[in-house]
Amino acid sequence: EPEVTQTPSHQVTQMGQEVILRCVPISNHLYFYWYRQILGQKVEFLVSFYNNEISEKSEIFDDQFSVERPDGSNFTLKIRSTKLEDSAMYFCASSLEAEQFFGPGTRLTVL
Amino acid sequence: SQKIEQNSEALNIQEGKTATLTCNYTNYSPAYLQWYRQDPGRGPVFLLLIRENEKEKRKERLKVTFDTTLKQSLFHITASQPADSATYLCALDRSYNTDKLIFGTGTRLQVFP
Repeated sequence: EPEVTQTPSHQVTQMGQEVILRCVPISNHLYFYWYRQILGQKVEFLVSFYNNEISEKSEIFDDQFSVERPDGSNFTLKIRSTKLEDSAMYFCASSLEAEQFFGPGTRLTVL
Repeated sequence: SQKIEQNSEALNIQEGKTATLTCNYTNYSPAYLQWYRQDPGRGPVFLLLIRENEKEKRKERLKVTFDTTLKQSLFHITASQPADSATYLCALDRSYNTDKLIFGTGTRLQVFP
């Protein structure tokens, strides 16, 4: 059964460094998302992407964040200058209809 | 803005019983209401979706109801098993266009033998 994959599973970085989180969505899906979940808190929407452009972004998704679909398969989230409060699980999701399929997540730890 | 509340942080029930989880929301009624399961350290897994014009949906041992007057959804797991132990998330989808999900905080279900 097709699934969303994410790499790396765990990323440790120093405050102020750039990180790129990678996702491979399900191949025939058209809509792509990033969510994050701070430990013990709810899953929060960051950004949605459709037809090679951002369709919606949340207040969390400020100028430090960017997304890209550089080829036909990968979908990346870049954080330019990480802050301590960016430490969280980051989930990529994709969909063709209403139900969304989530990846296993990348745990980002900012020191 | 839309707020979603799920009943009690944790629910403990005995194997074989029916677990009932509640999701209440404020403001607008969503086009869809979805339920996901999340295991520790893992991503949410889609379980069921119910549309605003539907009252009830079933899938195997799972049942979801949707009351737009009460602004509430109930999620039932019948004949619960220890393997059903997980956190269950309610999520709202505001439009019929494929859209972001707004999640509740989840209810942690523990089924003990």
